Amino acid sequence: AQKITQTQPGMFVQEKEAVTLDCTYDTSDPSYGLFWYKQPSSGEMIFLIYQGSYDQQNATEGRYSLNFQKARKSANLVISASQLGDSAMYFCAMREGSFSGGYQKVTFGTGTKLQVIP
Amino acid sequence: NAGVTQTPKFQVLKTGQSMTLQCAQDMNHNSMYWYRQDPGMGLRLIYYSASEGTTDKGEVPDGYNVSRLKKQNFLLGLESAAPSQTSVYFCASSYSSQREGRFKVEQFFGPGTRLTVL
Repeated sequence: AQKITQTQPGMFVQEKEAVTLDCTYDTSDPSYGLFWYKQPSSGEMIFLIYQGSYDQQNATEGRYSLNFQKARKSANLVISASQLGDSAMYFCAMREGSFSGGYQKVTFGTGTKLQVIP
Repeated sequence: NAGVTQTPKFQVLKTGQSMTLQCAQDMNHNSMYWYRQDPGMGLRLIYYSASEGTTDKGEVPDGYNVSRLKKQNFLLGLESAAPSQTSVYFCASSYSSQREGRFKVEQFFGPGTRLTVL
């Protein structure tokens, strides 16, 4: 089974509208975290948001929020009020194991290309 | 405050040559990472370091070595370069904290090193 699944290879959204990028994951590790990253066409990698498996509340960072549904194993990224600069590839990733050392595995999805239309 | 810097930005090697990719961060972060990104894919973790003096293997460590002698530096070595190691290499650093009952993570990436092995 795929560890991280992003089912939307590409998406379009009108400027100023909200958009949801889907991500489902599969793990049996009780301690894990979900990340979202943005990669513009320039190639840089930008960290957007993180949700830990034990966090009760959904993570939010400015216009980004993570809709974390643990029972469904989904961690969708919601971008509110889309801007032209949001056009990029978005990757969902999962960390299994501990940040403090020892076993740690990171798995990336295949990405969703978001295009914001003026 | 430069964030995460990587040198070199571009490198061409012949099969069998060795080299070291350099990464430095000035944010006093404990954790540092080396990833590789192949065309059309997400990142894959090569090695990570949870603190100065410690390193652990990620998903694709074969053919690489790392050292974290100083907190601010994380070096990635290619022992005997192979064409399969042609990729874009990203270094990252991160910090984590417990804040208001949530496990908060922030991660910062370097600009990447584009490596071609002929």
